[in-house]
Amino acid sequence: DAGVIQSPRHEVTEMGQEVTLRCKPISGHDYLFWYRQTMMRGLELLIYFNNNVPIDDSGMPEDRFSAKMPNASFSTLKIQPSEPRDSAVYFCASSFSYWGQGNSLGANVLTFGAGSRLTVL
Amino acid sequence: GNSVTQMEGPVTLSEEAFLTINCTYTATGYPSLFWYVQYPGEGLQLLLKATKADDKGSNKGFEATYRKETTSFHLEKGSVQVSDSAVYFCALPNSGYALNFGKGTSLLVTP
Repeated sequence: DAGVIQSPRHEVTEMGQEVTLRCKPISGHDYLFWYRQTMMRGLELLIYFNNNVPIDDSGMPEDRFSAKMPNASFSTLKIQPSEPRDSAVYFCASSFSYWGQGNSLGANVLTFGAGSRLTVL
Repeated sequence: GNSVTQMEGPVTLSEEAFLTINCTYTATGYPSLFWYVQYPGEGLQLLLKATKADDKGSNKGFEATYRKETTSFHLEKGSVQVSDSAVYFCALPNSGYALNFGKGTSLLVTP
């Protein structure tokens, strides 16, 4: 498997422009996560999906951010309009939940993509 | 909610030195605990995990023991290499299936 694939790897845009980040999770994984990484705030969970359904979007900063997962193999994170404070590395991750011994054993083992570095000027 | 606190970096060590990176957690119950590593320009990858108290996770010479008495999960390696230079993150599940990560500890190993 090629792993979690993110695009673009680097994006430089001007304030006010729309930005769309894309993610292809590992085939067969049923959870997909979007994280944002900055020096000041570290890794922040933005939103995550289970079987294409958003489960928790409480980390989405504001209405300018939206995320979709139209099918099991594709997700987007959109920022409209973008602002300089949105500059960060955005990571997509996926995981597979499997059950054993009465517990979900795999859901927390996340596989990360290489990230999309966003710079908003 | 569940959270982890890990030691501030950066940590600079000479090759073959002993490494300890401290991590303590606050959680409801006894969740699984994780260490992830991020090499320059890459995403995070799982280094090791422990699923219950007193478990020891190990991988690539790194070890961490889940200690509920001290609510800790310190990462150790007996002899670091230059290739271990990276950022290390302690993590635990939040109320759902996502992970909450610590701020990360940067490690630089010099020859």
